[in-house]
Amino acid sequence: GPKVLQIPSHQIIDMGQMVTLNCDPVSNHLYFYWYKQILGQQMEFLVNFYNGKVMEKSKLFKDQFSVERPDGSYFTLKIQPTALEDSAVYFCASSQDRNTEVFFGKGTRLTVV
Amino acid sequence: AQSVDQPDAHVTLYEGASLELRCSYSYSAAPYLFWYVQYPGQSLQFLLKYITGDAVVKGTKGFEAEFRKSNSSFNLKKSPAHWSDSAKYFCALEGQGGSAKLIFGEGTKLTVSS
Repeated sequence: GPKVLQIPSHQIIDMGQMVTLNCDPVSNHLYFYWYKQILGQQMEFLVNFYNGKVMEKSKLFKDQFSVERPDGSYFTLKIQPTALEDSAVYFCASSQDRNTEVFFGKGTRLTVV
Repeated sequence: AQSVDQPDAHVTLYEGASLELRCSYSYSAAPYLFWYVQYPGQSLQFLLKYITGDAVVKGTKGFEAEFRKSNSSFNLKKSPAHWSDSAKYFCALEGQGGSAKLIFGEGTKLTVSS
């Protein structure tokens, strides 16, 4: 079936540095999402993105976070600067429309040290 | 406020038994409800959704779920369970009114012993 690919699967970064998480969504999908899951806790919505713009973001989506998808390439989540509390698994997802099946990637495990 | 509760962190049963994973939600309007499954090392996979219509919805892998407005529940069921159903199951809510975000429960880890 359709797949969402996330690169890399693991990333270790020094606190204060910048990190970019990459996501290759399903090719004909129009809605893109990032979710964050701290170990042992539930998955929480960060942001969704449609037509080149952020539609909605949660309070977890701090000012240090940004998303973009330049020219139909990767959908990226950038954190600059990173903080220790950003350590988590970040899941990218995409869907064709609202209320339709959302396809998830396997996640990128980010460790900030 | 919107929320999803999965009260059972772990469920264990024997192969051949009936499984029912509980999910309750809090939402002021009519919700869109979903179940996803995550096998170890894999991404979340869609099982089924309730948008409107029949209270019982059928999904992939032989699962079904029943929407009960009276007690704000959306329990996942399958009979009989198979050892390959062992995984973590997530219930999720999507609000209406243009929202395109999923609110997840904490998940239920299901172990089916053969």
